[in-house]
Amino acid sequence: EVQLVVSGGGLVQPGGSLRLSCAASGFTFSSHWMSWVRQAPGKGLEWVANIGQDGTVKNYVDSVKGRFTISRDNAKNSLYLEINNLRAEDTALYYCGRQLISPLGPNFDYWGQGTLVTVSS
Amino acid sequence: QSALTQPASVSGSPGQSITISCIGTSTDVGSYNSVSWYQHHPGKVPKLVIYGVTNRPSGVSNRFSGSKSGYTASLTISGLQTDDEADYFCASYASSNVFVFGSGTTVTVL
Repeated sequence: EVQLVVSGGGLVQPGGSLRLSCAASGFTFSSHWMSWVRQAPGKGLEWVANIGQDGTVKNYVDSVKGRFTISRDNAKNSLYLEINNLRAEDTALYYCGRQLISPLGPNFDYWGQGTLVTVSS
Repeated sequence: QSALTQPASVSGSPGQSITISCIGTSTDVGSYNSVSWYQHHPGKVPKLVIYGVTNRPSGVSNRFSGSKSGYTASLTISGLQTDDEADYFCASYASSNVFVFGSGTTVTVL
């Protein structure tokens, strides 16, 4: 059974940092692109970043470039999102999502349950 | 990387068909056949119901269908059921290797 378990959220002050984790099981993790998607309270979904199968290719939405870093450890079947210089507008529920092997695109067939990041003083 | 434009709400009676539009631009929906749709019940994770404009994942009801014309993608739900009441989001590949989601549509079954 495919499972994605997200952890690492919490209450952080503006300017602070967090590391989110997504532990994968039940499938060949190294075969899939993976993404982070977030949803601010009362708002829609926003794609944040994705990473290729071997971790060398990474893409980000403009609003997080330079502050967020996506990474993965295929030996540990884990996906990460390092979030620095947090802003109030980063407050959201953060999901990880598995992308279909084919076709490439915003096709997330499995999602983690989400972890809440709250940025507030 | 602006959000794709969706109507805020769409409603229909049980058994009816409804269509949700997703309007993009030449840098996303208009240029790529990489549009997906998600059903999102509050408190649950989103569920992929359409990918690649027209394809249904295994297990998704054939009451869900997708299409695209120009800069507009559409999701049609036929034979509307009470369980279809949810938020629906489109998503598209965009230039520069990024993805963009739609603004979201709340479907109400009257």
